[in-house]
Amino acid sequence: EAGVAQSPRYKIIEKRQSVAFWCNPISGHATLYWYQQILGQGPKLLIQFQNNGVVDDSQLPKDRFSAERLKGVDSTLKIQPAKLEDSAVYLCASSLGTGPYEQYFGPGTRLTVT
Amino acid sequence: RKEVEQDPGPFNVPEGATVAFNCTYSNSASQSFFWYRQDCRKEPKLLMSVYSSGNEDGRFTAQLNRASQYISLLIRDSKLSDSATYLCVAGGAGKSTFGDGTTLTVKP
Repeated sequence: EAGVAQSPRYKIIEKRQSVAFWCNPISGHATLYWYQQILGQGPKLLIQFQNNGVVDDSQLPKDRFSAERLKGVDSTLKIQPAKLEDSAVYLCASSLGTGPYEQYFGPGTRLTVT
Repeated sequence: RKEVEQDPGPFNVPEGATVAFNCTYSNSASQSFFWYRQDCRKEPKLLMSVYSSGNEDGRFTAQLNRASQYISLLIRDSKLSDSATYLCVAGGAGKSTFGDGTTLTVKP
C-alpha cells in the first residue's frame, strides 16, 4: 500500500515570498492533517480536514497560511508571504477518520526561509 | 501550560537498560492516547496505542493513569535501535495533540 506522498521534500525561499506544499494521502483515508514541526518541538496541528471539509483550523495563521482539499483527496498548503519563523518541517498525515485512528505521516517538506 | 507535556531528556542509557518516560495531559476529556516514535529527520510513526488497562508489545509497555492524567512508556532491554524521539499523543473529540517528545540515546 502506498504511503502518504508529499512534495517538494525541500524548499528554500526568501522572506515575503510565497510557497506551496502538496500532499496525497493514503487511498481511502477520510481525514487529512497538516502539521508544522519546528526543530526540537512536536508536530503542531495547523489544519485538519474530514473529506473536503475543515474540522479544525484554530492554529492556522490565516493571515498568511491557507489550505484546501478539493474533491476530498489531495491537499495543498500555501504560505504567503513567508516569514523567517515559518522555517520548519511541514508534515502531512492521514487517517481513516477522526476517531482514535493511527495517523500515517508523509516524509515532510523541510522549509527554510532566509 | 502545554496540553501535553513530556520531559525532553535526553535520556542516555546503556544497552540492556530499562528506561521509562512519562507524559502528562491537561485535557481531562482526552479519550485516546498513543506513543509515536520519530527517528532523526524522519516522520513520526505509531509505536503503540495506550489502553486503559495498560498494554504490552514485546519490550514496550504503555500505561494510562486517568486519575493523574499521565501516560507512561517503559522500554526494557534497550537496544541501540531504540535511539529516537518518543512523542506522546492525547486525543479526543476528533482532535489529537502531540507532546514535544523525549529523546532517547542508547549507547553500547
